[in-house]
Amino acid sequence: GAGVSQSPRYKVAKRGQDVALRCDPISGHVSLFWYQQALGQGPEFLTYFQNEAQLDKSGLPSDRFFAERPEGSVSTLKIQRTQQEDSAVYLCASSLGGTGARETQYFGPGTRLLVL
Amino acid sequence: EDQVTQSPEALRLQEGESSSLNCSYTVSGLRGLFWYRQDPGKGPEFLFTLYSAGEEKEKERLKATLTKKESFLHITAPKPEDSATYLCAVQASGSGYALNFGKGTSLLVTP
Repeated sequence: GAGVSQSPRYKVAKRGQDVALRCDPISGHVSLFWYQQALGQGPEFLTYFQNEAQLDKSGLPSDRFFAERPEGSVSTLKIQRTQQEDSAVYLCASSLGGTGARETQYFGPGTRLLVL
Repeated sequence: EDQVTQSPEALRLQEGESSSLNCSYTVSGLRGLFWYRQDPGKGPEFLFTLYSAGEEKEKERLKATLTKKESFLHITAPKPEDSATYLCAVQASGSGYALNFGKGTSLLVTP
């Protein structure tokens, strides 16, 4: 099992709760990406890490969304004060090299978040 | 602004009935075009990367082609296990390393 893993697979939160979603990338992969996928849509980019450095967070929809990768491996996406519109599948992907350019991104199974 | 449009939104084929899925794109500079397959409840599974116009790649019953404006995913003699959503994504030189996805084509192959 050398793929990208994510936990939890399902999360139900009450509106206003904080949630934390975890991603374990493929071992040795330098680049890590988070995407958000609404029902019936393609994934939309949220943020990108190269090792522990967050180089692009242009896709984060609001300041309630925060991501970190403190040791350059596992990453956590945190959503504060969840809203109903945050309900979606959150996908993590990793790629081997440090540039991220032209490289295959391998996706995990996703975390399905439902905010009630 | 970079745009990716996939058509049709949904496609139903009989087993053995070949067809093509389309991905039209407009980007400032193409680094790569990626095809993924996504099964219900799972993450996207990588199929192909194409880098320049005229490039073609094949894998089993699938063949991907690329022009300067669009990519096609040709499915030859499909089987029911090919049923899935097929996603096209572009990586543009002016947009960091993010993939910009289309909405996907939902393919159903019936026996």
